[in-house]
Amino acid sequence: AQKITQTQPGMFVQEKEAVTLDCTYDTSDPSYGLFWYKQPSSGEMIFLIYQGSYDQQNATEGRYSLNFQKARKSANLVISASQLGDSAMYFCAMSGMDTGRRALTFGSGTRLQVQP
Amino acid sequence: DTGVSQDPRHKITKRGQNVTFRCDPISEHNRLYWYRQTLGQGPEFLTYFQNEAQLEKSRLLSDRFSAERPKGSFSTLEIQRTEQGDSAMYLCASSPTTENTEAFFGQGTRLTVV
Repeated sequence: AQKITQTQPGMFVQEKEAVTLDCTYDTSDPSYGLFWYKQPSSGEMIFLIYQGSYDQQNATEGRYSLNFQKARKSANLVISASQLGDSAMYFCAMSGMDTGRRALTFGSGTRLQVQP
Repeated sequence: DTGVSQDPRHKITKRGQNVTFRCDPISEHNRLYWYRQTLGQGPEFLTYFQNEAQLEKSRLLSDRFSAERPKGSFSTLEIQRTEQGDSAMYLCASSPTTENTEAFFGQGTRLTVV
């Protein structure tokens, strides 16, 4: 079974500052993928960043980076230089690979509000 | 092809009625997923197709729910005898069979059962 835990229901950050959104996971799959999605108030799920369990380097995509600590089973999202448009719900998710579960298991999300 | 398309975007129905939603995935994507999202929660997995084969169903998918993907292209999700607890956003996503790749989501169908 897979489980994603996001312990921060809501976060505030000042514009142009960095923010870290926490995510811990649990799985019995030997290999897996970790994802972060953004969901604005309009409702669509927007893919942000991916980390494979065997990737040696932390993933980065523009202002997004994933702080992957495998031993601690954590996959925190770091957003640098926050913008007003970053205000949204953020979901951490995982999927199994090999014989594992392909579908995504999501956490409960963190609502980020960027303040001017 | 501009992405995953879902129809309708909104549906209001009376309790006890049947409803059907449609999802058109990105054309070259073999995998198709249905999720349900209630207010303030993350999406919950319902079912997964690879081509026309339904490979996995969640325990959330009661016998009132049925999903099909008859030709491995679009998919339908039907809910029979709707209940107020079925009110939610129903999200469809698709992905290629390549590993290490993200799923692309549609904008969802918001169902309200009155």
